[in-house]
Amino acid sequence: EVQLVESGGGLVQPGGSLRLSCAASGFTFSSHSMNWVRQAPGKGLEWVSYIISSSSTIYYADSVKGRFTISRDNAKNALYLQMNSLRAEDTAVYYCARVLQRPYYYMDVWGKGTTVTVSS
Amino acid sequence: DIQMTQSPSSLSASVGDRVTITCRASQSISSYLNWYQQKPGKAPKLLIYAASNLQSGVPSRFSGSGSGTDFTLTISSLQPEDFATYYCQQSYSPPWTFGQGTKVEIK
Repeated sequence: EVQLVESGGGLVQPGGSLRLSCAASGFTFSSHSMNWVRQAPGKGLEWVSYIISSSSTIYYADSVKGRFTISRDNAKNALYLQMNSLRAEDTAVYYCARVLQRPYYYMDVWGKGTTVTVSS
Repeated sequence: DIQMTQSPSSLSASVGDRVTITCRASQSISSYLNWYQQKPGKAPKLLIYAASNLQSGVPSRFSGSGSGTDFTLTISSLQPEDFATYYCQQSYSPPWTFGQGTKVEIK
C-alpha cells in the first residue's frame, strides 16, 4: 500500500524551530518529487515547498523562503521540512504529498498530516 | 504569482443535483489544473488532474473541463458522500497556488 506518514509536529514558541518528517512506503520514493502543503485552522490549502527526486530542484513559497528548508534522504525513504524562525502564522496542519508528472504535475498521494502550533 | 479564484465560495445542494464549480486563473495555465476534495479533519484527495483526467478510483460522476484560464468541476448527480470542500490548484509554475475552496453543503 502506498503510504505517507508525517511526524514531528508539536507546540513551539515564536522564533523556535521544528523539523517535520514524512516516511514513505509502498512505492519507489527515490523516483518521485514531493511537496509540503499546509492548512491553517479553518483556512484553505497553501503549498509550501517542492523537491525533485534528486534534490537538484527546490522551490519555496514566499511566505517561508529563507526560514524553511526542504530535504530528502532517498536511502531512508524520508522527506523533511526544517522550520526555523517560526511565527504564529505558521500554525497549521502540514501535509506531505507525492508529486506525479505525466507530464502535468499533480499530487496523488497525501499523508494524514502533522499539526504545528506556534504559540507562547 | 498566479492567482486562482473559485466560485462560488459555498453552495447548498440536494442529493441528485448537478453541481458545477468554477475556477479562474489570473493568467493562462494551459491544462495544469487539478481538483481536490477535502472532508473535515481529513487530507485532501485528488479527483481530477490535468484539467479533465479522472484519477483512478474516483467515481465517474465527477468530471473536469477547461483550459487556459477557465475551468469547471462538475458533479453530475450529487451523492451524500460528496458533501465536502473542493479546491482547484495550478501546477503551471511555482508557487503552486490553490483556489480558496468551495464548500458544498446539504440543502
